[in-house]
Amino acid sequence: NAGVMQNPRHLVRRRGQEARLRCSPMKGHSHVYWYRQLPEEGLKFMVYLQKENIIDESGMPKERFSAEFPKEGPSILRIQQVVRGDSAAYFCASSPTEYEQYFGPGTRLTVT
Amino acid sequence: AQSVTQPDIHITVSEGASLELRCNYSYGATPYLFWYVQSPGQGLQLLLKYFSGDTLVQGIKGFEAEFKRSQSSFNLRKPSVHWSDAAEYFCAVGAGSGATNKLIFGTGTLLAVQP
Repeated sequence: NAGVMQNPRHLVRRRGQEARLRCSPMKGHSHVYWYRQLPEEGLKFMVYLQKENIIDESGMPKERFSAEFPKEGPSILRIQQVVRGDSAAYFCASSPTEYEQYFGPGTRLTVT
Repeated sequence: AQSVTQPDIHITVSEGASLELRCNYSYGATPYLFWYVQSPGQGLQLLLKYFSGDTLVQGIKGFEAEFKRSQSSFNLRKPSVHWSDAAEYFCAVGAGSGATNKLIFGTGTLLAVQP
């Protein structure tokens, strides 16, 4: 059973561009979470999705950030008009119907 | 609000020595508690978890943790540290209605192992 997959692993964007981060959950997992890790900090929750539904987006910035988990395909975290402060590691985790979350390797976004 | 505190930012131990990493949480109900380990440039690996029952839980790589409700603590221990244990360790509490909801993480403890 393959683990949680994220791509790209590294992403460089210029200020003002769009960033798209993809996450494929583990097989059989229907819950996806996105977290952001800023330098020298722990992980901060961003959004929790199930297939075609956003369950909890309380950690998402109000502007420029959006997430989806379509019926088919990976979950996407989209950041529009990136700024330098968006530079961080973005981690996706998936979960079966309850309890523990399994994390992917992360996408390291650098905004220049 | 739920929160997790890891009081030690950096810890250095000698290889073969015992290890205890501290974690205190704030949560109104019975918490779901986790320890994760992160190697440089990598994702997080689940070491162990506590949901209910026996307050001493065993995890992978020889780690264990003890849930103490009276102290709101969930400290991670290992009797003999190996050089490969050098990494950053995160304690987390499951928030929301059920553990399938978001995790609240501590700020992490960076472990260095001296030969």
